[in-house]
Amino acid sequence: AQKITQTQPGMFVQEKEAVTLDCTYDTSDPSYGLFWYKQPSSGEMIFLIYQGSYDQQNATEGRYSLNFQKARKSANLVISASQLGDSAMYFCAMRGEKDKIIFGKGTRLHILP
Amino acid sequence: DAMVIQNPRYQVTQFGKPVTLSCSQTLNHNVMYWYQQKSSQAPKLLFHYYDKDFNNEADTPDNFQSRRPNTSFCFLDIRSPGLGDAAMYLCATSRGLGSEQFFGPGTRLTVL
Repeated sequence: AQKITQTQPGMFVQEKEAVTLDCTYDTSDPSYGLFWYKQPSSGEMIFLIYQGSYDQQNATEGRYSLNFQKARKSANLVISASQLGDSAMYFCAMRGEKDKIIFGKGTRLHILP
Repeated sequence: DAMVIQNPRYQVTQFGKPVTLSCSQTLNHNVMYWYQQKSSQAPKLLFHYYDKDFNNEADTPDNFQSRRPNTSFCFLDIRSPGLGDAAMYLCATSRGLGSEQFFGPGTRLTVL
């Protein structure tokens, strides 16, 4: 069975500090993908970054990077130099068996001025 | 800009009164999805279309139906809304199954 776990329901971080949002996963499929989405209070889900299970290097997109540790089945999102606009809900998601995508429960990030 | 558009952004309906939510895309993606998201929860997939092929999730109530008349448009019909159907409804598209999904802004449904 597939599973995505985000253990941090909420986080408070000072502006300009780096943030790590945790995500662990479980799947028996050797081919899978991991996604991170941001959901501001307006409601729209915004795609941030993707990591494929066979990708050799950790994905990076601007201030976002994915710390992919395959043996530990973790795919943590790292946001460098946090900004007030980073305050939002963050969802980790996985593409697994039959290309089905499942979402974690999310982490609410608050950036403090 | 290519995008996913949902109308209306806010919808109020009465208990039991049918309602239709709409989604359109200019991305020319093959797959369109409908999700239900309740407060502080993860989005829950209701169903998706791959081109014209409709795929219903096993636990999606019969009260929820969908239509995709062409590549660009997809509709969510709630035949008899109950109070428990009040939620944010998100439409998403992707190039293929399992690709990154692009979401619309959502429709917030209130049931009175």
